[in-house]
Amino acid sequence: QKEVEQNSGPLSVPEGAIASLNCTYSDRGSQSFFWYRQYSGKSPELIMFIYSNGDKEDGRFTAQLNKASQYVSLLIRDSQPSDSATYLCAVDSNYQLIWGAGTKLIIKP
Amino acid sequence: EAGVAQSPRYKIIEKRQSVAFWCNPISGHATLYWYQQILGQGPKLLIQFQNNGVVDDSQLPKDRFSAERLKGVDSTLKIQPAKLEDSAVYLCASSLEGYSSGGRETQYFGPGTRLLVL
Repeated sequence: QKEVEQNSGPLSVPEGAIASLNCTYSDRGSQSFFWYRQYSGKSPELIMFIYSNGDKEDGRFTAQLNKASQYVSLLIRDSQPSDSATYLCAVDSNYQLIWGAGTKLIIKP
Repeated sequence: EAGVAQSPRYKIIEKRQSVAFWCNPISGHATLYWYQQILGQGPKLLIQFQNNGVVDDSQLPKDRFSAERLKGVDSTLKIQPAKLEDSAVYLCASSLEGYSSGGRETQYFGPGTRLLVL
């Protein structure tokens, strides 16, 4: 069974700082990598996806992918209290997405 | 564009009872997924439909869980009989092509059904 690993946290970051979330995966054939945000009691919603090695930026969010190291990360700049949530990493494997358990992020005002 | 619809939002049942959940995906989406999410864990795929055919149900406990997607649109997931360990949130998601894209596209989630088995 292919795996996606995330540090469960909680990760506590001061407001305005950069939050760094990490994810490793086991399937070397994976090509698509997704970050979803899940607020408590809500369903996951897509933040961004990345397919190619390197960085992809969208507003305050940057996804970084290193296929050689089988590592994907999400950086959140200028963290806001509204960013407090669980962040789920999902990776394609064998025609489906494999999900990590998520990292709980807490932004302290 | 309307999102993924699910009902009911909450359900409380006694163990050994049966329960059914309904999902209507985004219009035009070929692929529908049912996930189980236990508190503190990531979503676990139960079953994946491509149109009205099953693509993957390898993690569906078939002795008690069943699902169907008649006419390739909405879907029903049933649990009979329920066990205490079935307490979880049941998420329905859909994607435009799903299996045809190699599973490499965005999935859109409904609000989920929170099930508590007593």
